[in-house]
Amino acid sequence: TQLLEQSPQFLSIQEGENLTVYCNSSSVFSSLQWYRQEPGEGPVLLVTVVTGGEVKKLKRLTFQFGDARKDSSLHITAAQPGDTGLYLCAGYYNNNDMRFGAGTRLTVKP
Amino acid sequence: KAGVTQTPRYLIKTRGQQVTLSCSPISGHRSVSWYQQTPGQGLQFLFEYFSETQRNKGNFPGRFSGRQFSNSRSEMNVSTLELGDSALYLCASSLDSRASGYNEQFFGPGTRLTVL
Repeated sequence: TQLLEQSPQFLSIQEGENLTVYCNSSSVFSSLQWYRQEPGEGPVLLVTVVTGGEVKKLKRLTFQFGDARKDSSLHITAAQPGDTGLYLCAGYYNNNDMRFGAGTRLTVKP
Repeated sequence: KAGVTQTPRYLIKTRGQQVTLSCSPISGHRSVSWYQQTPGQGLQFLFEYFSETQRNKGNFPGRFSGRQFSNSRSEMNVSTLELGDSALYLCASSLDSRASGYNEQFFGPGTRLTVL
C-alpha cells in the first residue's frame, strides 16, 4: 500500500476549468512537495510546504498543507493545456525517508 | 546553475547483461538519490548516497547497487538484467537537510532502460 494516496488517479478537463487534486496519508510529514512530470522527463519541483495549515500560491496554482501535516491539496484555477502532466506529491518524514504518491495524471483539452 | 544531468538518456540491453548509469548532481549538492519509475509501480526509491556513503536503501534486490564519488557524482549498476527492470531511472540531488526535515530534491531527466 502507498504511504501517500493521491486522488483522483486520472483527470481530464477542458481548458478554463478549475480542479483540485489531493494527497493524503496517515503519517505526519516534516515537509511535503509537489512535482509535475511531463512524458520522458524527470519531475520538476513546484513547491515545498512545511508548516501545518500553510498555503502557497504559484500563479494559478494554490497549494495547501493540512493542519496536522498529514495531507495536502493542489488547486489549479483556469487550467490550460500547458498544465497537462503527472502531478506527484512527496512527503519527507522521520528526517530520513521520502515517499512519493502514485500521482494524478491531468489532461487539459484545448 | 546547471541542473542534474544523467547519462545515457536511452539504453537498450538484453536479459542477463549488466548496466551502469551515471548522474551528476547540482553543484554543491551532496546527496544523490536514485529512483525507478514504471507505469505500474510509480516512483520507487532505490537508494541514497551522501558523502560517498549509502545512507538509505529501498526494497530492491542486491542486483541493484550504486556508489558515489568524492565530487558527489553517482553511478548505479544493475547486474543480470531482467525484463522487469525496464523502466525510467531517475536521479535526484539535494542539499543535506536532515537536521531541518526539509528535503527538496531536484531531478534529472532520467535514463530510459529497455531490457529485451
